[in-house]
Amino acid sequence: DAGVIQSPRHEVTEMGQEVTLRCKPISGHNSLFWYRQTMMRGLELLIYFNNNVPIDDSGMPEDRFSAKMPNASFSTLKIQPSEPRDSAVYFCASAPGPNQETQYFGPGTRLLVL
Amino acid sequence: DAKTTQPPSMDCAEGRAANLPCNHSTISGNEYVYWYRQIHSQGPQYIIHGLKNNETNEMASLIITEDRKSSTLILPHATLRDTAVYYCIVRLRSSNDYKLSFGAGTTVTVRA
Repeated sequence: DAGVIQSPRHEVTEMGQEVTLRCKPISGHNSLFWYRQTMMRGLELLIYFNNNVPIDDSGMPEDRFSAKMPNASFSTLKIQPSEPRDSAVYFCASAPGPNQETQYFGPGTRLLVL
Repeated sequence: DAKTTQPPSMDCAEGRAANLPCNHSTISGNEYVYWYRQIHSQGPQYIIHGLKNNETNEMASLIITEDRKSSTLILPHATLRDTAVYYCIVRLRSSNDYKLSFGAGTTVTVRA
């Protein structure tokens, strides 16, 4: 059974460019999470979807960040315009249901904004 | 969320048991203890969780004290691949408690 799939695994871009990160959750999972990890701040929850609906986006840093989940098998996290301080590892995680069972993480996307 | 306290680092010999402590003195009665680990350059990986009773799976054992104020994760036969940062997390299992609060964790180094 495939785990959470993220693409790309690595992304290098220049300041001001648009960046789109993609996630495919585990089939049958109803909850999806986007996290960001930096040395300074550790792992932070950015946004949480349940049944494709955003439930909590309070962790999204600012308006430059947006996330969508058009269907149960796909989500995107977009940064426009990107800035050097957005450089981090972005993880997507999914969980089976609404009662917050175990979250399973993808391998992450390493983003470097020059 | 109840806070957890873990030692910042520990070493373990390959093939020996690794015992990772975690203090959670303010845990409430319906909060679970979860353990995750993060191997370098990978995403966090679920290990085990428990409420009151000791738990065991193919990866590890979780021992929770009777007063639930502390717990120990046991890796029975540590291998070099177990070198990682281990996170002890306390949380409810409800629709209102979806955040995993990863602290600094314990950096475990397994040495040959």
